[in-house]
Amino acid sequence: QFVVTQPPSASGTPGQRVTISCSGSSSNIGSGYVFWYQQLPGTAPKLLIYKNNQRPSGVPDRFSGSKSGTSASLAISGLRSEDEADYYCAAWDDSLSGWVFGGGTKLTVL
Amino acid sequence: EVQLVESGGGLVQPGGSLTLSCVGSGFAFSTYDMTWVRQAPGKGLEWVSHIRSSSSIIFYADSVKGRFTISRDNAKKSLYLQMNSLRAEDTAVYYCASELLIAGVGNGFDNWGQGTLVTVSS
Repeated sequence: QFVVTQPPSASGTPGQRVTISCSGSSSNIGSGYVFWYQQLPGTAPKLLIYKNNQRPSGVPDRFSGSKSGTSASLAISGLRSEDEADYYCAAWDDSLSGWVFGGGTKLTVL
Repeated sequence: EVQLVESGGGLVQPGGSLTLSCVGSGFAFSTYDMTWVRQAPGKGLEWVSHIRSSSSIIFYADSVKGRFTISRDNAKKSLYLQMNSLRAEDTAVYYCASELLIAGVGNGFDNWGQGTLVTVSS
């Protein structure tokens, strides 16, 4: 259903490293940059990673992004309880002439 | 402080119309691209429409094409979304967000408003 797919859920314990995947196609991830957004419960989304692996000012270096071909991933190291949120990947789709978001991954810190 | 504040949401009957507004402050609004993203209750993010800083280029999601119109007034630091022929599936929180292009390349939606709820129901 989604042009860009993510696992619906992920989990980890404090201090662990977790990875969230994002799979697309040649018309979106494969042809441009990937962006990651974090949405804490009840709040607006926040830019977490831009241009595949760049962190905006203020985002801890525990968060990192990577891209290979038509897939991308977000890694969170040293997991903290405050990282519990929904995470979305996004990319521009040349075929659709629009932005596409992944379905989102709900991260639970156990 | 950078701020985006949406307004105009509310309850509207199917087939009705509504106009959302988004006012920016604390940044050079006229130099940023702007976009609308919506989130249905309990669902993920869905991109709706995007407008270049000069209004020269506009994009719409297929789900709203022909029904919604995006526009902006840089003098008023304002972004608008005119929504016509509303359907139940348009029910969502609508967020406006800004994006700075550098050398023609976007750097992600770095500022978001708090969102405004649109409910389409009879």
